[in-house]
Parts: sequence; C-alpha cells; structure tokens
Amino acid sequence: SAVISQKPSRDICQRGTSLTIQCQVDSQVTMMFWYRQQPGQSLTLIATANQGSEATYESGFVIDKFPISRPNLTFSTLTVSNLSPEDSSIYLCSVRQGAPPYGYTFGSGTRLTVV
Amino acid sequence: QKEVEQDPGPLSVPEGAIVSLNCTYSNSAFQYFMWYRQYSRKGPELLMYTYSSGNKEDGRFTAQVDKSSKYISLFIRDSQPSDSATYLCAVSGNTPLVFGKGTRLSVIA
Repeated sequence: SAVISQKPSRDICQRGTSLTIQCQVDSQVTMMFWYRQQPGQSLTLIATANQGSEATYESGFVIDKFPISRPNLTFSTLTVSNLSPEDSSIYLCSVRQGAPPYGYTFGSGTRLTVV
Repeated sequence: QKEVEQDPGPLSVPEGAIVSLNCTYSNSAFQYFMWYRQYSRKGPELLMYTYSSGNKEDGRFTAQVDKSSKYISLFIRDSQPSDSATYLCAVSGNTPLVFGKGTRLSVIA
C-alpha cells in the first residue's frame, strides 16, 4: 500500500490566519481525499482532490474556506482559511488504490489548534 | 439518522477479555464494510474488511456482517494492552468511505 507523508503534524495558529497542509504519496494515485476529525466525532470527508481539475467538495464545505490543490498524482495540499477556534481539529489526507473494496491509506494527520 | 452509528465508548476491559465492537448503518446500498484501528496521534489503518454477510477471521480478530439487520461487529479475542486504540467502522459502496464515530478501547494489563 502507499506510504503517505503529511506535514505539518501539528500547528497552533492565530485566528484569522491560514494553514496549508501538505500530503505527499510515494506512488501515483488517482483518488486522494481530505478528511476532518473533530474531537469525539467521526472522520468527515471534506473533499476529493482531483488531479488537473477543481476539487469536489462535500455538503457543508466550500472552496473559499478549504482550497485544495492537486498539481500531480503524488501531491496535494489543503488550506484552511480564515481560521477560527471551531477549525481546531485533526485533518487527514487519504488515498484510494486498487479495485473494490479498495485500499484506503491515511496520513498521520495534522492536529490544528486555533487560538 | 446518521449513515453509520457507533457507540463511542470508552470501553475498558482486562487483558485477555473478549471485546465486542458494533456499528449499525442505514443505507442498504453499502457493499463494503471495514474496521480501522487508530492509535493516538496516528492516522487510521485498515484492520479488516468484508463485503458479504457472515464472519471473517484474521488471527484474534473476527469481523461479522449481518446485511439483513444492517449490523456490523468486530470481535477481539484474548485482548492485549497493545490493542488499546480507537476502532472505527467504515462502510462504502460507490461512494467514499463513511465512518462511524469510533470506539475508544483500553485493555488493562
């Protein structure tokens, strides 16, 4: 399965600023996803990062708040913009490989605290 | 109704106990059923998957699916302190994974 390097592992940010999270995969993958894991909650899909085109966002998530880049098949970034304390969460990237039921691999996550 | 319901626990058991973790799901279109294990400050890692009703064993772990009642379970036999983690059920069909909240398990030596 793919190996994912996600950076930073944690950060503390001031409200109103932005944080960009990077996800590097050791092999080319078609499907990459970004999830949010809030305390005591399940992983919630933010968007699917599409290579060469705009990301596909889930209900409740918008591009202005969570812009995503996917310049190639091994790399993606998620930016969390105009930070507020409610954005404090763990953000994870994930890749999908193979055939159904597919293998999903996750990065170690980025723990964001907004003060 | 949430698509996947999972009791978040926490669940604390003595070493050697049998652990039962459960989820229910609402959409009969889901075809694949997975269990992920997540250690503190790590991403989830796939533990087991299945796509048919019945049992699937892997060492001390057994995944069970009952599609008629939309119920999925994970059993851990002879639990060890190293099993202490959060266990998340996940389902999918032609859509990305949908996760339960996760159950935090502590196995006490």
